Amino acid sequence: DTEVTQTPKHLVMGMTNKKSLKCEQHMGHRAMYWYKQKAKKPPELMFVYSYEKLSINESVPSRFSPECPNSSLLNLHLHALQPEDSALYLCASSQTDRGMGGYTFGSGTRLTVV
Amino acid sequence: KNQVEQSPQSLIILEGKNCTLQCNYTVSPFSNLRWYKQDTGRGPVSLTIMTFSENTKSNGRYTATLDADTKQSSLHITASQLSDSASYICVVSPAYNQGGKLIFGQGTELSVKP
Repeated sequence: DTEVTQTPKHLVMGMTNKKSLKCEQHMGHRAMYWYKQKAKKPPELMFVYSYEKLSINESVPSRFSPECPNSSLLNLHLHALQPEDSALYLCASSQTDRGMGGYTFGSGTRLTVV
Repeated sequence: KNQVEQSPQSLIILEGKNCTLQCNYTVSPFSNLRWYKQDTGRGPVSLTIMTFSENTKSNGRYTATLDADTKQSSLHITASQLSDSASYICVVSPAYNQGGKLIFGQGTELSVKP
């Protein structure tokens, strides 16, 4: 298995809703990432988990809450989002957090906040 | 400042033609340079990865070159197909990478017309 699987593929949520994005990989990668991508822009790093511990938070608002239940799973909990949070959310994984070797992205969750 | 610049910003070619995309970077030292293909609304898919000691890497109709002395890379696409229409992103991983952070270019938007 050489894939990163993200669910759901599309999500529409109101500003008062609570929802979660899920990401799963079975490549034995020990680093996992959340990115946010706006149209025609490169991905922006949000969070990095290394060996299931949060190692980097790029000053992301607290309405985004990451969770890494085990080495294969990564969640992003969403609460009280704003319309400007609408974007493509990408999960990625790599063998370690040293930026070497395979670095695989999921196909993303298209989030729309209404 | 670590930067990755790509040119052209956008490109239109006819099906069956070849094209070359450029990437200039200031990241130094670096451990590897990657090219990704990203279809609209989907996650980036890895095309090639080259370490600083490699000069060329091929993946089917895609050939990437790297000149570490001039800090330039190119991606050559041979016999283009309609399905090659996508954004192509050059990504550099700094050496001594802390946290798996990657430096992304802004991408080249390629459109292949029949």
